[in-house]
Amino acid sequence: AQSVTQLDSHVSVSEGTPVLLRCNYSSSYSPSLFWYVQHPNKGLQLLLKYTSAATLVKGINGFEAEFKKSETSFHLTKPSAHMSDAAEYFCLMDTGRRALTFGSGTRLQVQP
Amino acid sequence: EAGVVQSPRYKIIEKKQPVAFWCNPISGHNTLYWYRQNLGQGPELLIRYENEEAVDDSQLPKDRFSAERLKGVDSTLKIQPAELGDSAVYLCASSLDKAASGGGEQFFGPGTRLTVL
Repeated sequence: AQSVTQLDSHVSVSEGTPVLLRCNYSSSYSPSLFWYVQHPNKGLQLLLKYTSAATLVKGINGFEAEFKKSETSFHLTKPSAHMSDAAEYFCLMDTGRRALTFGSGTRLQVQP
Repeated sequence: EAGVVQSPRYKIIEKKQPVAFWCNPISGHNTLYWYRQNLGQGPELLIRYENEEAVDDSQLPKDRFSAERLKGVDSTLKIQPAELGDSAVYLCASSLDKAASGGGEQFFGPGTRLTVL
């Protein structure tokens, strides 16, 4: 079965400290993996994607993620959180026509 | 370049009434997606079109939900009759890449917030 698990429903960090949002996947096929961000009352926006090229992927706003096949993980990181990073983050797995699955989301709070 | 357009933005209906949502994808995008997003959850794929072909509709509750994408451009999602549990945000997205590649960036519309009373 195909599934995406975001291990934390809420993460709280202080401004200027590192961010780690965790995503694990399960798939019988080689997946493409994405991170999207959703600010309140805004549409979903792509942060970055992995599609079987480099395993370390850099995205917008200083975010990056590393695809680790052995750990079936695609965790999102940022070295230094900014107040504007406060939002809901979603991990997405797409295996082409076979399955497309979003995680349940992680709400990131950034404390001043 | 215009983004994905959805209408209406908000809809309030009584249960058992029909409702329809409309989506206009980004020009030239082959793949169109409809999602349902319940409060506090991730989007759930309802149906995915490649041009006018529905290539993945396994999660669409076919007893009450229907969708069409005539001419491979605009799409309409309909619920008839609506139930209380259908209250959610309905999102439309489009992608330049074909569904089979699985690696396409999706561009999302603002969504339609449906409330069923």
